[in-house]
Amino acid sequence: DAGITQSPRHKVTETGTPVTLRCHQTENHRYMYWYRQDPGHGLRLIHYSYGVKDTDKGEVSDGYSVSRSKTEDFLLTLESATSSQTSVYFCAISGDSYEQYFGPGTRLTVT
Amino acid sequence: QKEVEQDPGPLSVPEGAIVSLNCTYSNSAFQYFMWYRQYSRKGPELLMYTYSSGNKEDGRFTAQVDKSSKYISLFIRDSQPSDSATYLCAMDRIQGAQKLVFGQGTRLTINP
Repeated sequence: DAGITQSPRHKVTETGTPVTLRCHQTENHRYMYWYRQDPGHGLRLIHYSYGVKDTDKGEVSDGYSVSRSKTEDFLLTLESATSSQTSVYFCAISGDSYEQYFGPGTRLTVT
Repeated sequence: QKEVEQDPGPLSVPEGAIVSLNCTYSNSAFQYFMWYRQYSRKGPELLMYTYSSGNKEDGRFTAQVDKSSKYISLFIRDSQPSDSATYLCAMDRIQGAQKLVFGQGTRLTINP
């Protein structure tokens, strides 16, 4: 398995609270991604990074921000969580090939 | 209309059957086509990828791309219970920072 870990793996939080999810890689890959997966929608890209401090928006970026201060870490922040952000969040990494490797996912419930 | 359409199933077949999974797409700029397999409560894993049109075979799996029809397929021969998973197609336009567009996935069950 590619060296990707996500933390926490499960989280329950209340509406309006800030939440930060962490993705950590040991592969030294350039690209990192955050997706959310919901029934009926498949995987949708939230934000991605193409290098340290270089990030860009994906398809469903509203309500989310990201940061990448080190090659190995990519953080996803929900500034004020809403119930519509209840989802499973996956981090992925890739080098210069087409192979994206996914982490184990974080199940987030916003009550 | 979604850029990539995939029948969510569920699809249930007996062990040993040939399985056909399909996606259609609307964006003719897509050039790179991938199939991911996702077991329950796990992250997706890349199964196969192809560039442009044609076939690619890997063991019991064959991926086909027909760009003229905007249609891609994944065939699984001699299906096994361990193939039971959700299969997602994904597509991209250019190499580099991939902004993959995924289908919603087809849930497949192989019955012993």
